[in-house]
Amino acid sequence: EAGVAQSPRYKIIEKRQSVAFWCNPISGHATLYWYQQILGQGPKLLIQFQNNGVVDDSQLPKDRFSAERLKGVDSTLKIQPAKLEDSAVYLCASSLGDGQGFFGQGTRLTVV
Amino acid sequence: GDSVTQMEGPVTLSEEAFLTINCTYTATGYPSLFWYVQYPGEGLQLLLKATKADDKGSNKGFEATYRKETTSFHLEKGSVQVSDSAVYFCALWGSNTGKLIFGQGTTLQVKP
Repeated sequence: EAGVAQSPRYKIIEKRQSVAFWCNPISGHATLYWYQQILGQGPKLLIQFQNNGVVDDSQLPKDRFSAERLKGVDSTLKIQPAKLEDSAVYLCASSLGDGQGFFGQGTRLTVV
Repeated sequence: GDSVTQMEGPVTLSEEAFLTINCTYTATGYPSLFWYVQYPGEGLQLLLKATKADDKGSNKGFEATYRKETTSFHLEKGSVQVSDSAVYFCALWGSNTGKLIFGQGTTLQVKP
């Protein structure tokens, strides 16, 4: 069974630029999560999808972050414009809806 | 809202020592509880889980018991190895919200 795929693995951008991350969940997993993991901290939930609908985005900084999950499969997370404090690893996870999350390798974003 | 609190690290042990990493939670309803592990350079992976009170999750010599009366899910291992050096995350999944929430992580370093 293929795991959760994320790309790119690494990204370096200047502040005020935009960036997008892509996630392909495990086939059949209706639930998809995006997390932000700052160095030395635990993953912080940004947004949760159930199929192509948003279940919770209360922690998503909506003035600069956006996410979509077209057709209930792949998802993209975008930051525009980026700030220095957005430097982190962005993790995508998918689940059958029982709480057990399967994680991708993450995208390490550095904003300079 | 739901939250998870872990003991602060880093935890440094000698090989074959006994390990305990404390985890307590706050949640409404009846959450499922998880321990995830992140080895150096790798993604988050599930270590063990428990879905109801008094359940014991176990894997690779690690154990944790879901204690509803103390709202705890402490991770234990009787004899750690150097290869157990990693960051350990306690997490809960709220069946009411569908959110998968993580603690801040505890770094374990095992010395030969």
